[in-house]
Amino acid sequence: DTGVSQDPRHKITKRGQNVTFRCDPISEHNRLYWYRQTLGQGPEFLTYFQNEAQLEKSRLLSDRFSAERPKGSFSTLEIQRTEQGDSAMYLCASSSRGGYSTDTQYFGPGTRLTVL
Amino acid sequence: AQSVAQPEDQVNVAEGNPLTVKCTYSVSGNPYLFWYVQYPNRGLQFLLKYITGDNLVKGSYGFEAEFNKSQTSFHLKKPSALVSDSALYFCAVREDDMRFGAGTRLTVKP
Repeated sequence: DTGVSQDPRHKITKRGQNVTFRCDPISEHNRLYWYRQTLGQGPEFLTYFQNEAQLEKSRLLSDRFSAERPKGSFSTLEIQRTEQGDSAMYLCASSSRGGYSTDTQYFGPGTRLTVL
Repeated sequence: AQSVAQPEDQVNVAEGNPLTVKCTYSVSGNPYLFWYVQYPNRGLQFLLKYITGDNLVKGSYGFEAEFNKSQTSFHLKKPSALVSDSALYFCAVREDDMRFGAGTRLTVKP
């Protein structure tokens, strides 16, 4: 399968613990995005990388959240001191062709986080 | 900032009938519009997009969407619905970042 992959698919943690998710984009894609989706809502943009540079970060993103893409390939999203409100599906997407606003993003299956 | 609205939470149609899933948008510049579909426990799958040109855009699985600038709409359509089209559909608009609607659940009954 040459699509976007995410690991783990499910994560259950206790409040206050740190969690880290991984995203492997489509191999030739240089742009990578993280989204959060809660029940009954559409995905909400969190952050965006072009190669290894983090170019955009949502103002809604708490400073407990950090993302990296050290070699411009896979990316990690870490949530520190998790709270119950962090429970959501975390989606990763990648893209490469065309202009920034017009290229098509391809999504991974997501990581479902449950904070107890 | 850009925004998108999907006015219907739920759309029900009978198999073989045409379907429409509605979407309206608001942007300050050129509208770049997308439709995605989400099946249970799966990520979003791209259906189609409007960037420029012909107002009728054709996409995957027989879906199409009509861009209407005067009504600021981008409704998703299919001439003949299948039971397998039952899923959650998201409209999105991109200006700075990508903004998604809240989704419309389509149920196609046999």
